[in-house]
Amino acid sequence: DSGVTQTPKHLITATGQRVTLRCSPRSGDLSVYWYQQSLDQGLQFLIQYYNGEERAKGNILERFSAQQFPDLHSELNLSSLELGDSALYFCASSVEASGNSRTGELFFGEGSRLTVL
Amino acid sequence: DAKTTQPPSMDCAEGRAANLPCNHSTISGNEYVYWYRQIHSQGPQYIIHGLKNNETNEMASLIITEDRKSSTLILPHATLRDTAVYYCIVSFSGAGSYQLTFGKGTKLSVIP
Repeated sequence: DSGVTQTPKHLITATGQRVTLRCSPRSGDLSVYWYQQSLDQGLQFLIQYYNGEERAKGNILERFSAQQFPDLHSELNLSSLELGDSALYFCASSVEASGNSRTGELFFGEGSRLTVL
Repeated sequence: DAKTTQPPSMDCAEGRAANLPCNHSTISGNEYVYWYRQIHSQGPQYIIHGLKNNETNEMASLIITEDRKSSTLILPHATLRDTAVYYCIVSFSGAGSYQLTFGKGTKLSVIP
């Protein structure tokens, strides 16, 4: 158990719909990362938030958005869904501490499997 | 981040050491080598990382060549539960962002 919690575990919806995926990071972790894993693309970094602010952006579509709340949980919003958005969506969190000898370790949740029909 | 090259698949007999190679010839001086694995469709799991010295923990050993252009992850006594996709990632862990770029990894199959 990584300590990162993602809900829902499974979600089935239709094209054109909008869904929200939720992530609770490990206790004390300030950073949250979102990754998408589809069969043909592998694990793709989407976006990172640190203590409520966007820190880095990857291959995130304009139809997707995310935010991190004051309690540090994060939500990934996916809208105008298309068949190609079907994928596993992972959230990860990390310790942001300079001088930490274990820099760069990400703790991943178990993912949310989205199926768009 | 530097690009890595890994064999797409490997087999290992149960109980034997699994040696997973990774080439990262364009690695720069401040980039770390990370290894993660993903068992079936579970979330990726951190294994080990290093900068230039060899590292060992309870899961594995990481051997980095002196020129840092390649590395080997060693699972000393592979079990069936080690069957997974193993990702070698090179990344600069600058302040505040530890995003990792995953490639296709090596699918390790541990054979009974």
